[in-house]
Amino acid sequence: GAVVSQHPSWVICKSGTSVKIECRSLDFQATTMFWYRQFPKQSLMLMATSNEGSKATYEQGVEKDKFLINHASLTLSTLTVTSAHPEDSSFYICSARGRGVDYGYTFGSGTRLTVV
Amino acid sequence: RKEVEQDPGPFNVPEGATVAFNCTYSNSASQSFFWYRQDCRKEPKLLMSVYSSGNEDGRFTAQLNRASQYISLLIRDSKLSDSATYLCVVNTGNKLTFGGGTRVLVKP
Repeated sequence: GAVVSQHPSWVICKSGTSVKIECRSLDFQATTMFWYRQFPKQSLMLMATSNEGSKATYEQGVEKDKFLINHASLTLSTLTVTSAHPEDSSFYICSARGRGVDYGYTFGSGTRLTVV
Repeated sequence: RKEVEQDPGPFNVPEGATVAFNCTYSNSASQSFFWYRQDCRKEPKLLMSVYSSGNEDGRFTAQLNRASQYISLLIRDSKLSDSATYLCVVNTGNKLTFGGGTRVLVKP
């Protein structure tokens, strides 16, 4: 089945630094990548949607200059949290959708970010 | 009003019992519906899609009521391993919207 590999699985960084999270589709072409954030005891909130080769579409309230998304190829998308602050600490999950009707939404394993 | 609403629970269920819970959605244009399961600190995993005619997968039964805009999940013969948060997910225009989740705790 379709697999999305997400790295790192957890990261601790200092306030003010930037963190890059990668999602790779291992056995299919991810034409669309979705990035979510989940705070403790809350549901997944969509941050942005990106299609390969084009700029990401951000949800209302998500700062595009703070959360940089790159989807340069059909197998790789990255989310960079720039100038991270403690309030950015959260669980970040990607989800990929591939070509064809048989491909549903495949989730990465998530990245737990802690900003200290 | 939230787009997708769920009772957060927790539903404390004796092992072997049946538990059912609902989810309501606000957008009548929503096209497809899913139940996902999420274990603590893990990513959501697809449990089952929900079809208009209702569908069953082993001990799990899902129903969709488009007129009243709700979906349901029923778990029969609950196992300890069924303890998790169940997320109702609605697809509208190729965008997934997640409910807040219903926590289920199956106890011996």
